[in-house]
Amino acid sequence: EIVLTQSPGTLSLSPGERATLSCRASQSVSSSHFAWYQQKPGQAPRLLIYGTSSRATGIPDRFSGSGSGTDFTLTISRLEPEDLAVYYCQQYGSSLWTFGQGTKVEIK
Amino acid sequence: EVQLVESGGGLVQPGGSLRLSCAASGFTFSTSWMSWVRQAPGKGLEWVANIKQDGSEKDYVDSVKGRFTISRDNAKNSLYLQMNSLRAEDTAVYYCARGWVGAAFAYWGQGTLVTVSS
Repeated sequence: EIVLTQSPGTLSLSPGERATLSCRASQSVSSSHFAWYQQKPGQAPRLLIYGTSSRATGIPDRFSGSGSGTDFTLTISRLEPEDLAVYYCQQYGSSLWTFGQGTKVEIK
Repeated sequence: EVQLVESGGGLVQPGGSLRLSCAASGFTFSTSWMSWVRQAPGKGLEWVANIKQDGSEKDYVDSVKGRFTISRDNAKNSLYLQMNSLRAEDTAVYYCARGWVGAAFAYWGQGTLVTVSS
């Protein structure tokens, strides 16, 4: 089973700042099968990025994804108050899906 | 508009059974692979089970193999999760999710809470 480790655990930034969230896999992951989700308090998760770098429908272009192999990154270019949420990475391989433990983004 | 509405959650004793349902609308259910994903209180996301479009292939996380069964009825646009031999560690909000390109979960329901406790 591939384990995904996200860092940092919590990120506290001011509006307008750049947020960089990391996800490291225990072994190489298919870039085609790597995604990021946003979960706001009390809500279901929402797909942000799929295939490492493709934005899902309706996702603002301040969200971008990159990476390959074992290291992947979600970048929020200019943080807005509504970006307060927990962000999860996810991979698929060998008929199994796994999620990272999440990074909480706080707005100062 | 895509909608996924889960139901069937509740309080059940350890060792008991529960059947979750997910009613889908707003898309062609029969051409979509579907999954159940759960989230224990205050914890992260855990994929539970997946079923292919025609129900021919099913996959499970190791911790539920032999206890949970995923199924679907394409004529009723519905997804199910039969949960037997429930344990305290199965306590979670269970989400129904629609598969997307790149094995991502494009749409999620609002979730249904399952509490396993005596």
